[in-house]
Amino acid sequence: QLQLQESGPGLVKPSETLSLTCTVSGGSISSSSYYWGWIRQPPGKGLEWIGSIYYSGSTYYNPSLKSRVTISVDTSKNQFSLKLSSVTAADTAVYYCARHGPDPNNKVDYWGQGTLVTVSS
Amino acid sequence: EIVMTQSPATLSVSPGERATLSCRASQSVSSNLAWYQQKPGQAPRLLIYGASTRATGIPARFSGSGSGTEFTLTISSLQSEDFAVYYCQQYNNWPPALTFGGGTKVEIK
Repeated sequence: QLQLQESGPGLVKPSETLSLTCTVSGGSISSSSYYWGWIRQPPGKGLEWIGSIYYSGSTYYNPSLKSRVTISVDTSKNQFSLKLSSVTAADTAVYYCARHGPDPNNKVDYWGQGTLVTVSS
Repeated sequence: EIVMTQSPATLSVSPGERATLSCRASQSVSSNLAWYQQKPGQAPRLLIYGASTRATGIPARFSGSGSGTEFTLTISSLQSEDFAVYYCQQYNNWPPALTFGGGTKVEIK
């Protein structure tokens, strides 16, 4: 059974960079035609896709966040990571790592449990 | 950018009754639509993809229909565990975007 687990600081100061890692177990991140992505949910609000990385390394970002987002993959550790720069209070949210695909059915079929990141000084 | 609009924002239903949730896309997404259920403190769970295909392990009381711009999630007979928030998501213009609706909260009447 595939499992995803987010890790990283729960508190980030304004203007700094938020960094999270997702560790995938029960399957290989590079073995099949899936995308590995990040989705966030501000407290009491809806879901927002941040970006995704394909098993081949291609990246796709939400245009509204593209200038601040970097997603990378470390296949040797079966992990992928999110960096979001210049954070503000508006970036406070539960951050989920997730798997979606394969093409053409890009539904999100596996989710991490989520990690709350608060932006505050 | 495709905008997904869900209605109503809140739906009050008695246990055992039918619930009908709507999702509208600002332009056609064909049948490239999924539905998710989210309970408090939990990650969303995939219910339906391809507009009408139930995901593995999802009970038959959940059904999806529609294509193009109008979609419906129906829960035929609400059980206590079904009270939650439901989101639709389009993936028609992937890449490069996945878009979620704002959600419908199904609460006990």
